[in-house]
Amino acid sequence: KAGVTQTPRYLIKTRGQQVTLSCSPISGHRSVSWYQQTPGQGLQFLFEYFSETQRNKGNFPGRFSGRQFSNSRSEMNVSTLELGDSALYLCASSLGLAVDEQYFGPGTRLTVT
Amino acid sequence: AQTVTQSQPEMSVQEAETVTLSCTYDTSESNYYLFWYKQPPSRQMILVIRQEAYKQQNATENRFSVNFQKAAKSFSLKISDSQLGDTAMYFCALSYDNAGNMLTFGGGTRLMVKP
Repeated sequence: KAGVTQTPRYLIKTRGQQVTLSCSPISGHRSVSWYQQTPGQGLQFLFEYFSETQRNKGNFPGRFSGRQFSNSRSEMNVSTLELGDSALYLCASSLGLAVDEQYFGPGTRLTVT
Repeated sequence: AQTVTQSQPEMSVQEAETVTLSCTYDTSESNYYLFWYKQPPSRQMILVIRQEAYKQQNATENRFSVNFQKAAKSFSLKISDSQLGDTAMYFCALSYDNAGNMLTFGGGTRLMVKP
C-alpha cells in the first residue's frame, strides 16, 4: 500500500499571501488530521476530517481552514500568511473508526518571508 | 483540557544499552489512549507503541515497552538493546474517546544512540 503523501514538500511564500497544502491518505482511510509543528510550540492539532466533514478542530485562527473530498484527499488552506505560520505541516490518515493508528505523511515545510 | 509533559528534552544512550523516556499527562477523561511516536531525522512520524488506559497490562512491541502508571498519570517508554536507528525525537501523545483522532503531544525528547 502506498503511504500518506503530501504535496508540495517545500514551499516559500510571502507575508499576506495564501497557501494550499494537499494530503492524500492511504487507500481506504477516511480520516485525515492536520498538525502544525514548530520549534517553539511543538506539535499542535489543527483539524480532522472524516467522510468530508470536519470532526474536530484545534485552537487556531480562522485563517486556517481545510476540506476533504469524496476520495478522502484533504487540503488545508492558510490565508493572509504571517511569519509565525512558518512550520512543518503534517497530515495523518487513519480508518477513522474510534481511536485508531494514524499514519503520518512526510510533511510540507512552509517558509513565510 | 489535556496536557502531556516530557521533562527530558535530550537523552543519550550507548548502543545495546537500555534507556527510559519519561512522560506524564493530565486528562479528565475516563477512557483514553496513550502513544509513543518516533520522528527520525527524515521527519516521518512513526507509531512506536500504543496503550489503552483501561488495560492494566503494559504494552510491549519488540524492544519497546511501556510502564503505565495510571494513578500517577505516568507513561514511560523503555527501549532495550538500543540501536543506532533508534536515534530520533520521541513524542508522547494522548487521545480519548469522542476526540476522533485528535492527538495532544508532549514537547518531545531527543534521543541520541551512540556507537
